Amino acid sequence: GQNIDQPTEMTATEGAIVQINCTYQTSGFNGLFWYQQHAGEAPTFLSYNVLDGLEEKGRFSSFLSRSKGYSYLLLKELQMKDSASYLCAVRDSNYQLIWGAGTKLIIKP
Amino acid sequence: GAVVSQHPSRVICKSGTSVKIECRSLDFQATTMFWYRQFPKQSLMLMATSNEGSKATYEQGVEKDKFLINHASLTLSTLTVTSAHPEDSSFYICSARDLSGDNSPLHFGNGTRLTVT
Repeated sequence: GQNIDQPTEMTATEGAIVQINCTYQTSGFNGLFWYQQHAGEAPTFLSYNVLDGLEEKGRFSSFLSRSKGYSYLLLKELQMKDSASYLCAVRDSNYQLIWGAGTKLIIKP
Repeated sequence: GAVVSQHPSRVICKSGTSVKIECRSLDFQATTMFWYRQFPKQSLMLMATSNEGSKATYEQGVEKDKFLINHASLTLSTLTVTSAHPEDSSFYICSARDLSGDNSPLHFGNGTRLTVT
């Protein structure tokens, strides 16, 4: 079966750095997405990786290793507004999105 | 960037009634839109894929006669929850992909919180 694993919850301190990991087993691979979802709101797109390596976008970076079926989202200079759930999703060989359950990130002052 | 508009944002209805949710792509054409449901503290669950001009493709376990999907134009898809029951109360989110590139992400509407009393 297809599976996406990410931690259920993480806590970090304002101003610090946090890394949210995602491992996947899917039938084929056509890209990995990270989304941010604040409580009660729809997800918003953060990043996309299809080739191995690091993609940097301001305070957020995303890394992919296809051979390991692994990705992480790195958030730097954490702000209180970064408190949200972070969803990892993989597009399989049929271009279907397989979603992780999300990681709830709690930022403490 | 691409914008998807979803309406209404909140709706409360009585058990047995039907509710229609609209999803529009505002600045791009979407031949395919996706409908998701999300229960509290759970991930997105794909309900169906809406294809312009043809029948929707439903995921296993989703009743097509209960969740009617119509995708009449390249910018509008609707989801109608028929004969709603309290267990249908959930957060419904539509999304569409801007087909400008292979790596184009899904863009989500703001979601509709449905409460069935």
